[in-house]
Amino acid sequence: QKEVEQDPGPLSVPEGAIVSLNCTYSNSAFQYFMWYRQYSRKGPELLMYTYSSGNKEDGRFTAQVDKSSKYISLFIRDSQPSDSATYLCAMSVGSNYQLIWGAGTKLIIKP
Amino acid sequence: GAVVSQHPSWVICKSGTSVKIECRSLDFQATTMFWYRQFPKQSLMLMATSNEGSKATYEQGVEKDKFLINHASLTLSTLTVTSAHPEDSSFYICSATSESSYNEQFFGPGTRLTVL
Repeated sequence: QKEVEQDPGPLSVPEGAIVSLNCTYSNSAFQYFMWYRQYSRKGPELLMYTYSSGNKEDGRFTAQVDKSSKYISLFIRDSQPSDSATYLCAMSVGSNYQLIWGAGTKLIIKP
Repeated sequence: GAVVSQHPSWVICKSGTSVKIECRSLDFQATTMFWYRQFPKQSLMLMATSNEGSKATYEQGVEKDKFLINHASLTLSTLTVTSAHPEDSSFYICSATSESSYNEQFFGPGTRLTVL
């Protein structure tokens, strides 16, 4: 079993829909949770960074962490075609520890 | 924001030759740089972690004599793929951190290597 599980998709939704992307993990010691966006043939870029449980909102993006269920989510409101990309979750047990990556979910927003 | 560049963006080489990829932090000093490999439709696979002025730490299964990493300054790290073979064809991405936190990694645009 992988430490971090993420459905690779693809996930295809119409423009304007609310998108929900998820990762589950097995290591209860993870405390730092991140979401990265990667466009095709580009390096990943950090979207959201959360510590411990709770919600964090930034514009159209909301990151949610449920440590009791070992489950994290990224919500995208009012999705746009420009949001089409691969979204990777990553997490670590501490700020100076290696990031453990999910497989990435390919998201397609249809105009 | 913090910018990381990579050069070249893509390279094609013959089997048996060596290829050098550069990773630069343009507007900050990178205390730690990471090298990843990514195969099509797969996630990032960490190859090695390097700190300026010291030897790189390689992940299990990564041949340090094949993938030579040099982190000579706080703004430059290089990855040399020695005696490249077709199975080394992949997307190589570097990232850098500016402080003592591995979590906020700034990624380069990646280098696509094709070995014929």
